[in-house]
Amino acid sequence: EPEVTQTPSHQVTQMGQEVILRCVPISNHLYFYWYRQILGQKVEFLVSFYNNEISEKSEIFDDQFSVERPDGSNFTLKIRSTKLEDSAMYFCASSLTGVYGYTFGSGTRLTVV
Amino acid sequence: AQTVTQSQPEMSVQEAETVTLSCTYDTSENNYYLFWYKQPPSRQMILVIRQEAYKQQNATENRFSVNFQKAAKSFSLKISDSQLGDTAMYFCAFMKGETSGSRLTFGEGTQLTVNP
Repeated sequence: EPEVTQTPSHQVTQMGQEVILRCVPISNHLYFYWYRQILGQKVEFLVSFYNNEISEKSEIFDDQFSVERPDGSNFTLKIRSTKLEDSAMYFCASSLTGVYGYTFGSGTRLTVV
Repeated sequence: AQTVTQSQPEMSVQEAETVTLSCTYDTSENNYYLFWYKQPPSRQMILVIRQEAYKQQNATENRFSVNFQKAAKSFSLKISDSQLGDTAMYFCAFMKGETSGSRLTFGEGTQLTVNP
C-alpha cells in the first residue's frame, strides 16, 4: 500500500537553528499538508499546499515557517529559527481528492533544546 | 470556525467487548465530512472511518461503525469485538466540504485501552 514517507524520524536542534523536515507524499496525490502535535495535545493544522502554492494556512504558520515542493516528489517544511515551543511531532499528509481523508506519514519528532 | 469535542479523555474495554467513543462538533456548514483517526503508540495517524454529512446512512468498516446524528451534531464511533491492537488514541475530525483540500480540525482525543 502506498505510503507517505517522512525523514528524519527524530531531530534534535539547538534553539535558533533552522530545520527542514522532509516528506515524500504518495506519488499521484495532489494535496499536501503539514500538521503538528505537541506532546499530550491535539493535532493542529499548519498548512495545505495545492498546485504549487499554499492554499490555506493557520495562525500558527507565521513567517518562521515555509513550505516547498522543490522537485515534484519531495514536500518540505522549513522552520527558520526554532524556538523551544516548536518541539512537537510534525506530520506530513497527502490526499488525492482533498475530501476522502488524508494519508499521514509516521511523523518527525522535533526536539528543540 | 469549527470545533470538535471529545469528552472522554480515557476509556477502557475488555477484549471482545464493544465500546463507544463520543464526539460532538459545532459548525454552521451544511456540507462537510467527519472522520475517526487512530493513533497507536507508533504515533502514526491511521484513518479508521469516514462519513459524508449528506448521507443519512451510518458508515461501517468491518468492526468499526459510526452513529451520525446530524441534528445533534454528534458522531460517535463504535468498536465491536475489541482487540488488543485497537489500543490507541482515537481522534475525531471535521473537514469542510465546499473546497477540496480543506483542513482537518481534530478533537482532543480519547485514549482507548483494550484489556486482555
